[in-house]
Parts: sequence; structure tokens; C-alpha cells
Amino acid sequence: DTGVSQDPRHKITKRGQNVTFRCDPISEHNRLYWYRQTLGQGPEFLTYFQNEAQLEKSRLLSDRFSAERPKGSFSTLEIQRTEQGDSAMYLCASSLWGTANTEAFFGQGTRLTVV
Amino acid sequence: SQQGEEDPQALSIQEGENATMNCSYKTSINNLQWYRQNSGRGLVHLILIRSNEREKHSGRLRVTLDTSKKSSSLLITASRAADTASYFCATGETSGSRLTFGEGTQLTVNP
Repeated sequence: DTGVSQDPRHKITKRGQNVTFRCDPISEHNRLYWYRQTLGQGPEFLTYFQNEAQLEKSRLLSDRFSAERPKGSFSTLEIQRTEQGDSAMYLCASSLWGTANTEAFFGQGTRLTVV
Repeated sequence: SQQGEEDPQALSIQEGENATMNCSYKTSINNLQWYRQNSGRGLVHLILIRSNEREKHSGRLRVTLDTSKKSSSLLITASRAADTASYFCATGETSGSRLTFGEGTQLTVNP
């Protein structure tokens, strides 16, 4: 499977705990995006990387959220001191920027439930 | 914040009928992409149309783009029950930094 892979698919955590999600993009893609989606809404942009550089962060990304893409390949999204409002689907996408094909392809998402 | 607005929010049709969904947006764009999402799953990329294109086809899908009206439409012809899903439009900004999604159209195709 050469698509975008996210792990885990589901995560249930207690309020106040830290969680970390991983995203493996399509191998030749230089851009990687994180989105959050709540029930009945469209995905909301959180942050994106070009190679290992984090180029933009949304105001939605509070200080409790941090994302990394250390070698320009996989990325991690960590949420510290989780709150019930963090419950959502976290989606990762990748694209090949700089060519004519700029489609963004999404993974299956990580569904986070904070109890 | 959402840039795109899909219309209608929900659409219910019979198998074999055509389904048309509309998307409006507010700012200048580089491209517009349509995605499908089955309940609780990730987004599947359907089609990308660039700002200098007016119409694009892919199988049973037809997408139009009117940059003067800042709107796009997705037509699914000869719908099938398997087309039941949420459909989202997403605009790619001219800076190329992000895709901004609308709130989606929930399509139900009844067998």
C-alpha cells in the first residue's frame, strides 16, 4: 500500500494524558498536512510541512499541540494534557508541491476520544 | 474558518438519477479539489480543477469552475447506492499553503 498511513486508527485517552499520532506520507511527497475534523464538519487545517520545515500553523493549534517532521518523511502530532474538546478525527495528507500534480491525498485518520 | 460553502447540505436521490452539488468560495484560488468521505473514514480524492480550467471530467464525475462567480459544481451521473457519502470541496490558495474545506454535502442514494 503506497498511500498515506496513519497510526493508530483509534485512540481513547483520559483527560489530562498526552497522546501522539504518527503519519507516513506517500514516499515522494514533500508536503505533509495535519487537519482536524469534528462530527458533521469539514476538515480544519492545523499545520503543514514542506520537507522538514513547519511552514504554517493555524490558530487552532494551541500550545498543547506540537507537530514534527524530523527527517522530512513521517510526521508526529502530539497533544499534551488532552481535553474533552480535543476529541475529533485527526487527518494527515501529503502532496507533491512544485509539479503540475498538486492533489493532496489523505490517510484514514486517527479518531481520538478523550474521556 | 471554512472558506467553501457547499449547497445543498443534504441531498437524497434514487439510484440512476444525477446528483449535483455546488460549492462557493471567497478568495482567489490556485485550484479546487473535490473529495468523498464515507462515514468515519478518511477523504478520497476525486478530482482537481485548476483556476484556468472551466470543466473537467473523470468517469461519472463532471466538475465545473466559474472563477468570476467563485463557484464550482460537482455532477455525479447515473448515481449508485455506493455513491452515498459526504462530498467536500476544498480550495487551494494561490500561496499553495493549504486546502480550505467547506462543510460538505451529505449525499444519500437510495436503491
